[in-house]
Amino acid sequence: GAVVSQHPSRVICKSGTSVKIECRSLDFQATTMFWYRQFPKQSLMLMATSNEGSKATYEQGVEKDKFLINHASLTLSTLTVTSAHPEDSSFYICSASPRLRGRQLNTEAFFGQGTRLTVV
Amino acid sequence: LAKTTQPISMDSYEGQEVNITCSHNNIATNDYITWYQQFPSQGPRFIIQGYKTKVTNEVASLFIPADRKSSTLSLPRVSLSDTAVYYCLVGDNTGRRALTFGSGTRLQVQP
Repeated sequence: GAVVSQHPSRVICKSGTSVKIECRSLDFQATTMFWYRQFPKQSLMLMATSNEGSKATYEQGVEKDKFLINHASLTLSTLTVTSAHPEDSSFYICSASPRLRGRQLNTEAFFGQGTRLTVV
Repeated sequence: LAKTTQPISMDSYEGQEVNITCSHNNIATNDYITWYQQFPSQGPRFIIQGYKTKVTNEVASLFIPADRKSSTLSLPRVSLSDTAVYYCLVGDNTGRRALTFGSGTRLQVQP
């Protein structure tokens, strides 16, 4: 099946620094990718929609200047957590779906393996 | 987006069949029902997807009644490695819209 790769899988950074997380679709092109955040024992919460070649769309309550998203190509989206604080510590997950082709009506979403961010 | 309701947790024993039911009363005509599995510190993994009636693959079956207001994920003969959180999602699955995750069902399989 299709593969979405996230890097790094785990990162520890100091307060005030920035961290970049990459999300790559390895064997398909994705015009849209999604970024989620998951706190311990909780469900995934959508943060933003990353659109190739245009600005990302952020969910209510998510600061666009803090969580910078760049979708530079059809296979790569990056999330940069700027000026990280301990409360930004979380599990960040991206997802992408292959383009629909022909008469195809639906597709499944493929998720990256997630990035565990710890801000100390 | 259709909201889903599923049990918070379930317990089972190895070798048993586990059925997890999800309610989605306001499912739209073009919505599909998809189930994902998530292990700790990993991204969700696709299990099965269906629109109506019954779908079966090598890991699970999905039962969807005619009114489509609910669905049941059936895991045959679970093992310890099936301990995970299972999410039921409803959406158009075109890939252009994000998936909305509910609380999920935490399945604990005991030896």
